[in-house]
Amino acid sequence: DQQVKQNSPSLSVQEGRISILNCDYTNSMFDYFLWYKKYPAEGPTFLISISSIKDKNEDGRFTVFLNKSAKHLSLHIVPSQPGDSAVYFCAASWGSARQLTFGSGTQLTVLP
Amino acid sequence: EPEVTQTPSHQVTQMGQEVILRCVPISNHLYFYWYRQILGQKVEFLVSFYNNEISEKSEIFDDQFSVERPDGSNFTLKIRSTKLEDSAMYFCASRGYSGANVLTFGAGSRLTVL
Repeated sequence: DQQVKQNSPSLSVQEGRISILNCDYTNSMFDYFLWYKKYPAEGPTFLISISSIKDKNEDGRFTVFLNKSAKHLSLHIVPSQPGDSAVYFCAASWGSARQLTFGSGTQLTVLP
Repeated sequence: EPEVTQTPSHQVTQMGQEVILRCVPISNHLYFYWYRQILGQKVEFLVSFYNNEISEKSEIFDDQFSVERPDGSNFTLKIRSTKLEDSAMYFCASRGYSGANVLTFGAGSRLTVL
């Protein structure tokens, strides 16, 4: 039951260029979407989020876009930096408990 | 910055033994969660806990698992009789209030069952 999907297991980009990470979901009940970043041997760290009533949220170099009709969201990182190299997880939540359903992650490598 | 603290960072146990993983959530948070990540797989929800009771649990969270908030600061996950397939990273997370959406995660406890 893959309610949240990240179809690209890995992505490599050059430093200074744009990184675009994609995520699709199937559950129409999701009303909040988050991106987490994870380094090896550490827990997921919150990066940026978006409510289902919005289509864009920006925080510095990070922008998340939500297309509800397509059940698709994306994370843009501009400009990409080598320190951005990590696994990025898309997650979604709904309901009173607000537990997160995670995608399988995308390993981003930013090449100097 | 407030953080979620988990102990131990790594535990090795024999199959069939009981294991308790401990978490200290952020002090003013009210909602608590356990997740696990088997090597190479996605982060999976186990259980959520609010007001001293389980609010949601996944099908993974069977009778072998239990959670407890024994005092005002700790939140524990107990696995009664460990199996090989319980080997994973276990992450604790907490959330502040009913309108909050962001979960803050701890660094995880690696459980290895031999």
